[in-house]
Amino acid sequence: GQQLNQSPQSMFIQEGEDVSMNCTSSSIFNTWLWYKQDPGEGPVLLIALYKAGELTSNGRLTAQFGITRKDSFLNISASIPSDVGIYFCAGRNTGNQFYFGTGTSLTVIP
Amino acid sequence: DSGVTQTPKHLITATGQRVTLRCSPRSGDLSVYWYQQSLDQGLQFLIQYYNGEERAKGNILERFSAQQFPDLHSELNLSSLELGDSALYFCASSVEDGATQYFGPGTRLLVL
Repeated sequence: GQQLNQSPQSMFIQEGEDVSMNCTSSSIFNTWLWYKQDPGEGPVLLIALYKAGELTSNGRLTAQFGITRKDSFLNISASIPSDVGIYFCAGRNTGNQFYFGTGTSLTVIP
Repeated sequence: DSGVTQTPKHLITATGQRVTLRCSPRSGDLSVYWYQQSLDQGLQFLIQYYNGEERAKGNILERFSAQQFPDLHSELNLSSLELGDSALYFCASSVEDGATQYFGPGTRLLVL
């Protein structure tokens, strides 16, 4: 099935650093979602974006719905060890179909 | 806790066997989605049901089938299992078709 292009594939950062990751698609989406998955667990919804240009925060997390509707960004500020995990983006197209990114694996070094 | 429950949490079986995975959606959610996640793989969409009817099909093998019952719980049936079917199987639910999905904790299937 179709998957979104998510980058970077992995990140190794020092505790306290900021993190940025993004997701791009060749087609337009109406909704962008960001999930975090811990090993062996199900993805947990972090942020949902429903409007082009929308900027939404959830604590230290901020995500934006790109104005072209073909991309989205997730930023994590002042990373902490519990931010470790895999982050997935997901987009919903005009046909109400969901597509998931390939994931960004985040490692935070204390 | 997303409110989506899946059973069993772990399942070990042999090649050629058949298993059934169960999912109960969040209260009020009408749509159920099934995903497969293999090692080093992203989430692969398998199939979606909405209020008892199949709504969308993804990369689901013919050996796999699913259904959603009147009480809205769903079952994913995997038959003639192969080693490569070993994976995490996730169920997600949403209040309506195309709405934000909430994932269950997954069922880890190991085929020996």
